[in-house]
Amino acid sequence: NAGVTQTPKFQVLKTGQSMTLQCAQDMNHEYMSWYRQDPGMGLRLIHYSVGAGITDQGEVPNGYNVSRSTTEDFPLRLLSAAPSQTSVYFCASSYSKGSRGSGNTIYFGEGSWLTVV
Amino acid sequence: QKEVEQDPGPLSVPEGAIVSLNCTYSNSAFQYFMWYRQYSRKGPELLMYTYSSGNKEDGRFTAQVDKSSKYISLFIRDSQPSDSATYLCAMRIQGAQKLVFGQGTRLTINP
Repeated sequence: NAGVTQTPKFQVLKTGQSMTLQCAQDMNHEYMSWYRQDPGMGLRLIHYSVGAGITDQGEVPNGYNVSRSTTEDFPLRLLSAAPSQTSVYFCASSYSKGSRGSGNTIYFGEGSWLTVV
Repeated sequence: QKEVEQDPGPLSVPEGAIVSLNCTYSNSAFQYFMWYRQYSRKGPELLMYTYSSGNKEDGRFTAQVDKSSKYISLFIRDSQPSDSATYLCAMRIQGAQKLVFGQGTRLTINP
């Protein structure tokens, strides 16, 4: 059971390049999300998905694109990388039911360190 | 003003000390309160969660929620060097999975 797997772990991009951060989970979780973590800012939600074919924007969606064609995968695309997108990116997943006592555990991947020069 | 405020520290204490970590928040609709621990170059892992107000204890860790004051705390007793990490508070409203995080507090326990 691998949990949440992110690739790549480290990436350096030039301004204007595009790339995709991959995220996969093997826990059959309905809910998946992408966060970015910057010093002094905590984790901020970029995009999320409550199931295959359904995505929505989070707090900081500009410059990023997502899709959810399967339950397992939730890739994050940077359309035209900018230095402001230098950050650590975390993918997370959980069961979608938010009722008391269930669905409270959100599992995070190990992170992807992205530098845009 | 941020929805969730957390002192980023850093906080450095000797081994065996009691550690108190805190967050304040402004959204009264938050019902679920969580503490995540994040080691260097790793993803956050859930440490404790509490529903609504009250206390919850798990070994050396105690989480407290005071909804009337919009204030949550995490206490670590008999702190160990292995507790050195960044601690993030997070919260969400009923029926939603979106988490709102504090900035995180970097904690170092000195042997």
